[in-house]
Amino acid sequence: DVVMTQSPLSLPVTLGQPASISCRSSQSLVHSDGNTYLNWFQQRPGQSPRRLIYKVSSWDSGVPDRFSGSGSGSDFTLKISRVEAEDVGVYYCMQATHWPYTFGQGTKLEIK
Amino acid sequence: EVLLVESGGGLVQPGGSLRLSCAATGFTFSDFWMYWVRQSPGKGLEWLANIKEDGSKKQYVDSVKGRCTVSRDNAKRSLFLQLSSLRDEDTAVYYCVRAVWGPGSLWGQGTLVTVSS
Repeated sequence: DVVMTQSPLSLPVTLGQPASISCRSSQSLVHSDGNTYLNWFQQRPGQSPRRLIYKVSSWDSGVPDRFSGSGSGSDFTLKISRVEAEDVGVYYCMQATHWPYTFGQGTKLEIK
Repeated sequence: EVLLVESGGGLVQPGGSLRLSCAATGFTFSDFWMYWVRQSPGKGLEWLANIKEDGSKKQYVDSVKGRCTVSRDNAKRSLFLQLSSLRDEDTAVYYCVRAVWGPGSLWGQGTLVTVSS
């Protein structure tokens, strides 16, 4: 199975400051169809996961543009340009290139 | 409203079985691959199974292969997960999910399964 490794696992951030989460996969996530199926999810306390970004850098509907995804191959990043209070939660990267799909361990974002 | 609503969770004894359901509303269910994902404190988020739009293709993760069956009824806009020989480690919140590869991602609210004697 593809192992997804996130860092950091804990991310204390001051309101209004930027934040960045790294995600590395144990093998390339480039699919045979040429796409890279790397997603980012947010899970707020007590809620189901919500996808923010798909195919590395495409926004899901309703996602604020302060969230952005980048990367290629096996190295990816989620950035939040200015953290707001509603961004508190756990963030997961997830690959959907190789079955079984797999998630990273999660990064807990909290406000300092 | 576009929704996925899971049901069928509860307390189950080790070795028992359960059938989870997921009702879809507000979209053309038969247009989408569907998935089951579970979340437990011990193992985090785990993709369990997927099923193609017409039910002709299914895949399972190794941890449930042989004791899990995913199915769907497009006429009733419903997704199902049958899980047998339940173990402590199957205790989790089970989610049904739409759209993994492209736009339109949707998760249900989840249904809690507790395996305990």
